[in-house]
Amino acid sequence: AQSVTQLDSQVPVFEEAPVELRCNYSSSVSVYLFWYVQYPNQGLQLLLKYLSGSTLVKGINGFEAEFNKSQTSFHLRKPSVHISDTAEYFCAVSAEGPSGSARQLTFGSGTQLTVLP
Amino acid sequence: ETGVTQTPRHLVMGMTNKKSLKCEQHLGHNAMYWYKQSAKKPLELMFVYNFKEQTENNSVPSRFSPECPNSSHLFLHLHTLQPEDSALYLCASTLRTGTGKFSTDTQYFGPGTRLTVL
Repeated sequence: AQSVTQLDSQVPVFEEAPVELRCNYSSSVSVYLFWYVQYPNQGLQLLLKYLSGSTLVKGINGFEAEFNKSQTSFHLRKPSVHISDTAEYFCAVSAEGPSGSARQLTFGSGTQLTVLP
Repeated sequence: ETGVTQTPRHLVMGMTNKKSLKCEQHLGHNAMYWYKQSAKKPLELMFVYNFKEQTENNSVPSRFSPECPNSSHLFLHLHTLQPEDSALYLCASTLRTGTGKFSTDTQYFGPGTRLTVL
């Protein structure tokens, strides 16, 4: 079974500063990785996903993430944040089960990003 | 606006009440999901439907009863809930492609129903 760990539950950062939200996963098989964002009183929205190919993935709103297989990480970054980026961010993993059966997304517990003026 | 709507947005109910949550998607998707989001906990997958057929039930108590009458609508019927069932209930949908071995398809989420059980 796979699992996802988001190391920081809260990340405060000043406007226009860079930010990195950390995500580590555990799985014994190949994985697909996702970052979702949840704004207040809304559902989750896909930011970006890694399926294969280049390990650097670019998403919406200027976010990007890098897949590092050796470190089993998929950290999310943005070089300069805005007030409007304040939200909760969820890392998720999808992996094949040992019998080859379909698996659904497993989510981390989320990181609350608060951008301060 | 993701094309997935949920009603009601807020619901307060007593432990002896019966209520239903509704989810509707206008995206032509063929798979729908119910998730439970509790404070400070990861999203918990509850049920999965593929082409109206339930394909997963993640050990959800029987006081939660899903119904999928067609590929556009998904219900969650609630009865004799407990206070610990208070949470945000999220519906999602996706278009399953290929063999479905990997859940590569993007899931589109509704805004959720905030449920409070007194």
